[in-house]
Amino acid sequence: GAGVSQSPSNKVTEKGKDVELRCDPISGHTALYWYRQSLGQGLEFLIYFQGNSAPDKSGLPSDRFSAERTGGSVSTLTIQRTQQEDSAVYLCASSAGTGQIGTTEAFFGQGTRLTVV
Amino acid sequence: RKEVEQDPGPFNVPEGATVAFNCTYSNSASQSFFWYRQDCRKEPKLLMSVYSSGNEDGRFTAQLNRASQYISLLIRDSKLSDSATYLCVVNPRYNFNKFYFGSGTKLNVKP
Repeated sequence: GAGVSQSPSNKVTEKGKDVELRCDPISGHTALYWYRQSLGQGLEFLIYFQGNSAPDKSGLPSDRFSAERTGGSVSTLTIQRTQQEDSAVYLCASSAGTGQIGTTEAFFGQGTRLTVV
Repeated sequence: RKEVEQDPGPFNVPEGATVAFNCTYSNSASQSFFWYRQDCRKEPKLLMSVYSSGNEDGRFTAQLNRASQYISLLIRDSKLSDSATYLCVVNPRYNFNKFYFGSGTKLNVKP
């Protein structure tokens, strides 16, 4: 499969536990994004990686959230001490970052549905 | 102020109707514009890019008005299968890899 892959597709966790969400972007895509979408809401930007540059973490809602991207490819979003308000679908996207106007499409994975009970 | 704002709807229209959505953006330095479609419980997918001169793809027409900082999407001859949430997306000129998503406009096409 050549698309963005996320795992797990569903995760149920107890309040206070840590969770890790994984994203495999499209091979060769330099830009990787994490978004969060609560039920019936729009996409909330979390963090953005571009090549070897320092990530843009401006969307992370608290210091319980962190993300890394190893080797410019796979990314892991970690949520520590989960709270019920963290329940949402976490979407990962990647783009080629060619810089060509009007052609930089973002491709999304199918998301991880996180439920904190 | 949000980077991108959309009317959340829902827009409830009969099959065959023409419907239009607008989206406003706050950063005049925005460079690239897109409409994404998101079906219920699915990931967003690119519907069409929006070019300065406006562009059309079948029943879908996208327009950009830089002076007023808004983009629009027109859907003609609505089909039941057009029911979805339509997300407006902009790229700022200072970072062509950063995407700002609107919260989406929900469209329900009824028989």
